[in-house]
Amino acid sequence: QVQLQESGPGLVKPSETLSLTCIVSGGSISNYYWSWIRQTPGKGLEWIGYIYYTGSTVYNPSLSSRVTISIDMSKNHLSLTLRSVTAADTAVYYCARLHSYGYEEFDPWGQGTLVTVSS
Amino acid sequence: EIVLTQSPGTMSLSPGERATLSCRASQSVSYNKLAWYQHKVGQAPRLLIYGASNRASGIPDRFSGSGSGTDFTLTITRLEPEDFAVYYCQQYGGSPLYTFGQGTKLEI
Repeated sequence: QVQLQESGPGLVKPSETLSLTCIVSGGSISNYYWSWIRQTPGKGLEWIGYIYYTGSTVYNPSLSSRVTISIDMSKNHLSLTLRSVTAADTAVYYCARLHSYGYEEFDPWGQGTLVTVSS
Repeated sequence: EIVLTQSPGTMSLSPGERATLSCRASQSVSYNKLAWYQHKVGQAPRLLIYGASNRASGIPDRFSGSGSGTDFTLTITRLEPEDFAVYYCQQYGGSPLYTFGQGTKLEI
């Protein structure tokens, strides 16, 4: 059974870069799409972007100028980088597998990691 | 952007009752690619329904999804204590590709 676990610093200063990792266990990253999603009090759940195991990516246009999603097949993990953060980027960040059933759904999800942007 | 509006925002029911949650899209959802999730505090969101009406693996048959186009429903028959949580719908299509509803809190 595939499990996902997000990790990263819980506190980031404004204007700096947020970097998170999602470790995939119990299965391979190969042949799947993987996504990052965040949840903020103000905007609810927001899709950030996805990456195919080959490295191709698609991002939410509202974040595309600041975000990079990458994949490391050797470590079976994916990463999220968000540049020039502000307080509006304070959120719980989730990673999830996409298309498990082929209907553009997210399953499974990690438990999420809270990131606070504050000086 | 396809906006998903869930109603009601909060629903107060008792174990054994039936819950009917609504999700309305601002535009037709591509190929009924609409999913429902259950979320409890501190836990990973859990996929319940995909493709509007298909139960995910391991999901009890008291959960069912229906609808098409712009109107979708999640029904939970015979509520169990563990069903009290927040429920989200999610769709595919438009820009951005994926959007979520604001959630319905199901409380005792």
